[in-house]
Amino acid sequence: AQSVTQLGSHVSVSEGALVLLRCNYSSSVPPYLFWYVQYPNQGLQLLLKYTSAATLVKGINGFEAEFKKSETSFHLTKPSAHMSDAAEYFCAVSRSGGNEKLTFGTGTRLTIIP
Amino acid sequence: DTGVSQDPRHKITKRGQNVTFRCDPISEHNRLYWYRQTLGQGPEFLTYFQNEAQLEKSRLLSDRFSAERPKGSFSTLEIQRTEQGDSAMYLCASSLIGQAEAFFGQGTRLTVV
Repeated sequence: AQSVTQLGSHVSVSEGALVLLRCNYSSSVPPYLFWYVQYPNQGLQLLLKYTSAATLVKGINGFEAEFKKSETSFHLTKPSAHMSDAAEYFCAVSRSGGNEKLTFGTGTRLTIIP
Repeated sequence: DTGVSQDPRHKITKRGQNVTFRCDPISEHNRLYWYRQTLGQGPEFLTYFQNEAQLEKSRLLSDRFSAERPKGSFSTLEIQRTEQGDSAMYLCASSLIGQAEAFFGQGTRLTVV
């Protein structure tokens, strides 16, 4: 079985400050890991993915995440927050090999303070 | 390509009525997934198809729910005898065999009154 835990259901940061959203996973097999962003009343947009290549993954909109097997973590970061980053962020895990169903965390709502 | 398309975007129905949602995946995507998202939660897997074959169903998918993908292209999700607990966002996603990422539609928000 696979699961994801997102620490912090709400995170607030000032515009221009570092964004750090935490994700820890549990998987009995090598995982694929994903971060998705969701704006109000919208579907999910893929930010980045880890598929067992480089452990530091760069995504869209300046986001990146680092896969740390020893810590079973895949935290999402962005050096400088922008107002447009305000949204809900979901970490998800699937079994490696691709095309498997995703298991999502409960999400983190990111608020940007002007 | 316009991405994954879902119709309708919003649906309000009375308890006990049947509803049907449609999903058009990205062209040539072999796999199609349905997820349900309730308020304040992450999406939960319901079922998926590879071409026209339904390969897995979650235990969340009660016998009131049925999904089809008759020609391996678009898919429909039907809920019979809707209950207030069915109120949620229903998300469709598609992917291409050999690629890890799934692409999501904008969802259908169902409200059962």
